[in-house]
Amino acid sequence: GQQVMQIPQYQHVQEGEDFTTYCNSSTTLSNIQWYKQRPGGHPVFLIQLVKSGEVKKQKRLTFQFGEAKKNSSLHITATQTTDVGTYFCAGLSNQFYFGTGTSLTVIP
Amino acid sequence: SAVISQKPSRDICQRGTSLTIQCQVDSQVTMMFWYRQQPGQSLTLIATANQGSEATYESGFVIDKFPISRPNLTFSTLTVSNMSPEDSSIYLCSVVIASSYNEQFFGPGTRLTVL
Repeated sequence: GQQVMQIPQYQHVQEGEDFTTYCNSSTTLSNIQWYKQRPGGHPVFLIQLVKSGEVKKQKRLTFQFGEAKKNSSLHITATQTTDVGTYFCAGLSNQFYFGTGTSLTVIP
Repeated sequence: SAVISQKPSRDICQRGTSLTIQCQVDSQVTMMFWYRQQPGQSLTLIATANQGSEATYESGFVIDKFPISRPNLTFSTLTVSNMSPEDSSIYLCSVVIASSYNEQFFGPGTRLTVL
């Protein structure tokens, strides 16, 4: 069946370091979304990518959608303690498939 | 955006009993979903709640165990029936609203513990 995997599962960084999480789907996706879930909170939508090779930026966050529309990445430049949380990708084919998530810890 | 409320926010239940979770949205909703999330894990889609008709269940989830109602566009309930400790989890409803393009808004979740 459809699988959406993310790596790494966990990442600890010093504040100010960069962070990247990678999302890989077993099948081609219509689009990909990214969500952030703070500890104890619910997922909050960050962005949606639709086009092959699309790149979008939100301040320190850069999102990419692969050419084959089967992978995506989220890169955070110069992490801050407010970036702490779990980042999920969610691929849409016939339904939403959430990735396994990457838990980010930022050490002050 | 959308404001979503869920009730109850948490509950502790005895095995063999049932719990009904409510989800209320303040916006026009095009799609409504129910997810389960176990601590430290990803979200697993239980079903799509369809207005006025039977929900569409994902593999591994059945109507007898997780009956869902959606009597109108902005309200839905999920019942967890004949509970066992394995049902302990966070249950979240999410919606796609008319003014967004597939963006999902999540409710705050219901934390269920089954003893």
